Amino acid sequence: GAGVSQSPSNKVTEKGKDVELRCDPISGHTALYWYRQSLGQGLEFLIYFQGNSAPDKSGLPSDRFSAERTGGSVSTLTIQRTQQEDSAVYLCASSLRHTNTEAFFGQGTRLTVV
Amino acid sequence: GNSVTQMEGPVTLSEEAFLTINCTYTATGYPSLFWYVQYPGEGLQLLLKATKADDKGSNKGFEATYRKETTSFHLEKGSVQVSDSAVYFCALSTAGTGNQFYFGTGTSLTVIP
Repeated sequence: GAGVSQSPSNKVTEKGKDVELRCDPISGHTALYWYRQSLGQGLEFLIYFQGNSAPDKSGLPSDRFSAERTGGSVSTLTIQRTQQEDSAVYLCASSLRHTNTEAFFGQGTRLTVV
Repeated sequence: GNSVTQMEGPVTLSEEAFLTINCTYTATGYPSLFWYVQYPGEGLQLLLKATKADDKGSNKGFEATYRKETTSFHLEKGSVQVSDSAVYFCALSTAGTGNQFYFGTGTSLTVIP
């Protein structure tokens, strides 16, 4: 596609519910990243996929968070039993190769847990 | 390990003032360096980049020079405009396995008329 696409753009959910966030990277990009940005904060790394390699999950804050990438393309970030502290903007990015190339970001999904 | 340290904000400048946002890094190997900008309510977009020592990245009047000897990549602009108000992130990318993009904490810039 023309750019990284994320859906939904906004999500309001009740505490304790599960949510799924979707990322559609730029076609042909083998690397995909998820970051979290809390209000007024920097970028918190969550997870990184590169081709068929095992993902780097070192940034996932708890076992309530998981992500998968099907067919090396679309990725889904799942948050189970959401908590209020999960409220943030979740950003997805993709890059053409895993070495020294720029990452392209989506517009993000703003998650609000009430 | 790899990390980026960025000048803390917020920064408030008058229109036409000179801007410098400091960024230093620690990296193994030979990283590429980036500045990303996030305008209010929008996602991050690449502002400029440099892939090797002494390279100068430039875009929209902004410049940054990759200084290997001081491990720095400071962002500068000679005359800021109100439309430059945004959050600026310094980042590096390295070769290797695992997460390869490392971001600074961001610097918020407000330009007042």
